Amino acid sequence: EAQVTQNPRYLITVTGKKLTVTCSQNMNHEYMSWYRQDPGLGLRQIYYSMNVEVTDKGDVPEGYKVSRKEKRNFPLILESPSPNQTSLYFCASSKLAGKQETQYFGPGTRLLVL
Amino acid sequence: AQSVTQLDSHVSVSEGTPVLLRCNYSSSYSPSLFWYVQHPNKGLQLLLKYTSAATLVKGINGFEAEFKKSETSFHLTKPSAHMSDAAEYFCVVSVFRGYNKLIFGAGTRLAVHP
Repeated sequence: EAQVTQNPRYLITVTGKKLTVTCSQNMNHEYMSWYRQDPGLGLRQIYYSMNVEVTDKGDVPEGYKVSRKEKRNFPLILESPSPNQTSLYFCASSKLAGKQETQYFGPGTRLLVL
Repeated sequence: AQSVTQLDSHVSVSEGTPVLLRCNYSSSYSPSLFWYVQHPNKGLQLLLKYTSAATLVKGINGFEAEFKKSETSFHLTKPSAHMSDAAEYFCVVSVFRGYNKLIFGAGTRLAVHP
């Protein structure tokens, strides 16, 4: 089944404890992206990747890192999480980076930073 | 600048009655437009998309949307609501700025009553 998977689905952590949220797609997509969803704000883009080893900042990149060493994986790293990073995170992928491309979303990771 | 405004944060309908979720957009260029649905504790699922072909777009589960350039609108409709339609709906503009950038509306929560 074609899908985007994320792990973990739920995570509670404390301020400053490094964490990684994994994202994997099995559709051989070139473009991958991370979003965070906060009430009343819709989804906002954190980072995106056009292809392996090509990443760039989105609208809200502060406090986050990403890497793209393999085409299928795009982990999101929080080096020193803070409470304002408590949010619902989504990974997405699309075949290419054109505006007509449909992005496919993972199930989400709900993060609580205490 | 590109933006998306979903005119209602909450919509409540009775089962079997029509659904109208309103979306206005602002875009300097010819946009691609999407509607995504998010059921509780689920990821985002594509309902339909407009990519400069037919202005009336049909999607899954009986939903459709009409692109009206003169009104800069892309309202989502369904003739008869079903209980399973209760979810949050996002109107999205896609622009290409060297990469595929999605701009999300704040979302409309649809409640369906028996």
